[in-house]
Amino acid sequence: ETGVTQTPRHLVMGMTNKKSLKCEQHLGHNAMYWYKQSAKKPLELMFVYSLEERVENNSVPSRFSPECPNSSHLFLHLHTLQPEDSALYLCASSQVGGGETTEAFFGQGTRLTVV
Amino acid sequence: QQQVKQSPQSLIVQKGGISIINCAYENTAFDYFPWYQQFPGKGPALLIAIRPDVSEKKEGRFTISFNKSAKQFSLHIMDSQPGDSATYFCADPPQAGTALIFGKGTTLSVSS
Repeated sequence: ETGVTQTPRHLVMGMTNKKSLKCEQHLGHNAMYWYKQSAKKPLELMFVYSLEERVENNSVPSRFSPECPNSSHLFLHLHTLQPEDSALYLCASSQVGGGETTEAFFGQGTRLTVV
Repeated sequence: QQQVKQSPQSLIVQKGGISIINCAYENTAFDYFPWYQQFPGKGPALLIAIRPDVSEKKEGRFTISFNKSAKQFSLHIMDSQPGDSATYFCADPPQAGTALIFGKGTTLSVSS
């Protein structure tokens, strides 16, 4: 199993649909993240879960709803999205604690297209 | 909001040349300065990172250097190869142990 696995790899959804992105990490990390990567903007941090608790959400619209049922799994629930939400959604994980920042490992991303 | 300013936005280098990408930080945890490499269709992956107790770190053709007084760190790619063509991101956590905030990325093209 690769370190961080995201499914699906590609998703096309209508603006009225509801879908979910899934992320699973096999690295034993205790923090997971959702980032959005669009053509004109850098990697934007959306959500942080540390020790399964949401730490920050960076003012993300409520049409994006994260869920972290355990330290290995992270979901991003999507509903009534807009075309401008089309982007690559990346999941990452890292080990936090000990007072130092450590490497974040990324999945390959889900390419989302909203039509 | 933590800001990490990366330059240049794009870079074209001849094969065998030196690629240099810079990153300037404002507020920082002063803890960890990584460079990530991303190929099309892939997620970013750590290329090299430095902690500020040293001013330079070299791994093969890749060197990261850190200038505390200028609040900058940079990536040097020696003997650049076509396989190095990718997007490079610097990052910085606003507090130690928190999520990385990324620069806007530099698209490197190495011509053969």
